[in-house]
Amino acid sequence: GENVEQHPSTLSVQEGDSAVIKCTYSDSASNYFPWYKQELGKRPQLIIDIRSNVGEKKDQRIAVTLNKTAKHFSLHITETQPEDSAVYFCAASISSGSARQLTFGSGTQLTVLP
Amino acid sequence: SAVISQKPSRDICQRGTSLTIQCQVDSQVTMMFWYRQQPGQSLTLIATANQGSEATYESGFVIDKFPISRPNLTFSTLTVSNMSPEDSSIYLCSAGQLQYGYTFGSGTRLTVV
Repeated sequence: GENVEQHPSTLSVQEGDSAVIKCTYSDSASNYFPWYKQELGKRPQLIIDIRSNVGEKKDQRIAVTLNKTAKHFSLHITETQPEDSAVYFCAASISSGSARQLTFGSGTQLTVLP
Repeated sequence: SAVISQKPSRDICQRGTSLTIQCQVDSQVTMMFWYRQQPGQSLTLIATANQGSEATYESGFVIDKFPISRPNLTFSTLTVSNMSPEDSSIYLCSAGQLQYGYTFGSGTRLTVV
């Protein structure tokens, strides 16, 4: 089955700096890569996703890049703010009929220092 | 994106008993997913619930321990049976559509004493 590795496990940045979180996946058939943000005690929230037919996607301060050849994808957060502090999870998915089963990375605790 | 209501939000249960968790989605979805998240850990898929057929369980999870119902396209339940302290965890359901992504319920924090 799919295996997703995520690095780093913890990341501290100064407010205003950029943060980068990286994930690798094992199954070349994976074609959907979402990122979730989970604040303490809350549910994971989908913040951005990318499909295998594109290499990059941006949404304001957040961007995701995908390298299918190397089987890795990354989350980039620019101009970080204290409210970006949370645990971030990457995931990879292979289509299964009409739905997708997600395999999650181990998570990255991002702390933005004021 | 799908909006999911999950209940109960938390419970403290005696060992040997069972707890049923419910998830209601605001739109019809083909599949719903049940995850377990240990504190400070990632999400582990328990099973996939497809309406009209038996759920598909991941390695390490069995139907006798985690029976699932999926009576229609907007609702599912997960039961944690014959609980032990090792079952203490957060349980989350998830659903969505291919083109819109997948969202999560608010989670059920289970403590078994």
